[in-house]
Amino acid sequence: QVQLVQSGGGVVQPGRSLRLSCAASGFSFSDYGVHWVRQAPGKGLEWVAVISHDGSNTYYEDSVKGRFTISRDNSKNTLYLQMSSLREVDTAVYYCSKDRGYGEYEPFDYWGQGALVIVSS
Amino acid sequence: DIQMTQSPSSLSASVGDRVTITCRASQSLTKYLNWYQQKPGKAPKLLIYASSTLHSGVPSRFSGSGSGTDFTLTINNLQPEDFATYYCQQTFSTPRAFGQGTKVDIK
Repeated sequence: QVQLVQSGGGVVQPGRSLRLSCAASGFSFSDYGVHWVRQAPGKGLEWVAVISHDGSNTYYEDSVKGRFTISRDNSKNTLYLQMSSLREVDTAVYYCSKDRGYGEYEPFDYWGQGALVIVSS
Repeated sequence: DIQMTQSPSSLSASVGDRVTITCRASQSLTKYLNWYQQKPGKAPKLLIYASSTLHSGVPSRFSGSGSGTDFTLTINNLQPEDFATYYCQQTFSTPRAFGQGTKVDIK
């Protein structure tokens, strides 16, 4: 069955860095675009970033551009989010998710369990 | 960027009720509007995609409609497990924006 298992959350001071990982199994990881979505405490869902199936294209939400980097290692079936220059407003549960299919307009059909990132001094 | 607006932000309903949630986009999505359900402490689950297509395993009491800028999620015969927060999301363009959510709780 499809699984996305996340790791790497934690407490970090403002200005520091943290890397999240999302290990995929149960499907052909290299065939699908994958995303990061976050949810601040008590708030709604916010899309963060996407990477194409082969890693050739990436897009970011404006507030994380230049600070966050999405990447993937298809040989390890793993998605990453490198977060730098972290701010308190980045405090959230971060989810990885996958496109349902191969098209341009795909919904997100499977999600990781979430990783809590707390940015605090 | 496309902005998504859901209404209402919350509603109270009883088991067996019919519930309707609306989502409006700031520009046309054609049909590329999705609905998700999220329960506290859990990841979102895909319910409906491309406005009206039910995701695999989702009960038929859930339905979606609409095109362009205006979309609706309807839940018929509300069940106890349906009390949750619902989000719309557009996948017509990037960034893949979500609505602010509609919390459905027990009356």
